[in-house]
Amino acid sequence: GENVGLHLPTLSVQEGDNSIINCAYSNSASDYFIWYKQESGKGPQFIIDIRSNMDKRQGQRVTVLLNKTVKHLSLQIAATQPGDSAVYFCAENMGGSEKLVFGKGTKLTVNP
Amino acid sequence: DAGVIQSPRHEVTEMGQEVTLRCKLISGHNSLFWYRQTMMRGLELLIYFNNNVPIDDSGMPEDRFSAKMPNASFSTLKIQPSEPRDSAVYFCASRLHGATSGELFFGEGSRLTVL
Repeated sequence: GENVGLHLPTLSVQEGDNSIINCAYSNSASDYFIWYKQESGKGPQFIIDIRSNMDKRQGQRVTVLLNKTVKHLSLQIAATQPGDSAVYFCAENMGGSEKLVFGKGTKLTVNP
Repeated sequence: DAGVIQSPRHEVTEMGQEVTLRCKLISGHNSLFWYRQTMMRGLELLIYFNNNVPIDDSGMPEDRFSAKMPNASFSTLKIQPSEPRDSAVYFCASRLHGATSGELFFGEGSRLTVL
């Protein structure tokens, strides 16, 4: 896909391991955060979201952690599978607006 | 249910030509977003609409770019004249304005190459 490039942070893990993808966001006024997954040649796909009044939210095999003190967001994927290989983006929603601003992305490769 | 539908999926054109990218929203959605994705700049928001009205076009690069919603379910993004630096993947995304979740539903993208 167009997003995959030499300049993306990369993470390589073994199948079955847990993965942690990190993201630093820019605006302390952001009140809503989303993680998206983008497979090669496809559009971004929603994974999980979290509001600024929470510090943790769990989904199926995924957990998002929010640390507002240091403006840091992480996505944890449990028991990573080859199908999890993709580029992962965090996005923040500026308070009072519907705009979603995306980070640069992290490329996750899962080795069988 | 059909997702967001974009066309064309791929377009190769020559510098100076007009390019029109098309997007059909998910039925019932009333907010529409156009993004551009490049290796260097990532995903950039170009413009978004609520109920057919452009709300924020601050991301539109210059006057060569224009976007419209002729009806509630369809949008076009036009580049005239196109330049090589416009080469990118253009995504549209839709959502239900005011929904609790801010999730955007993306199309598969239109990959534009300007020679």
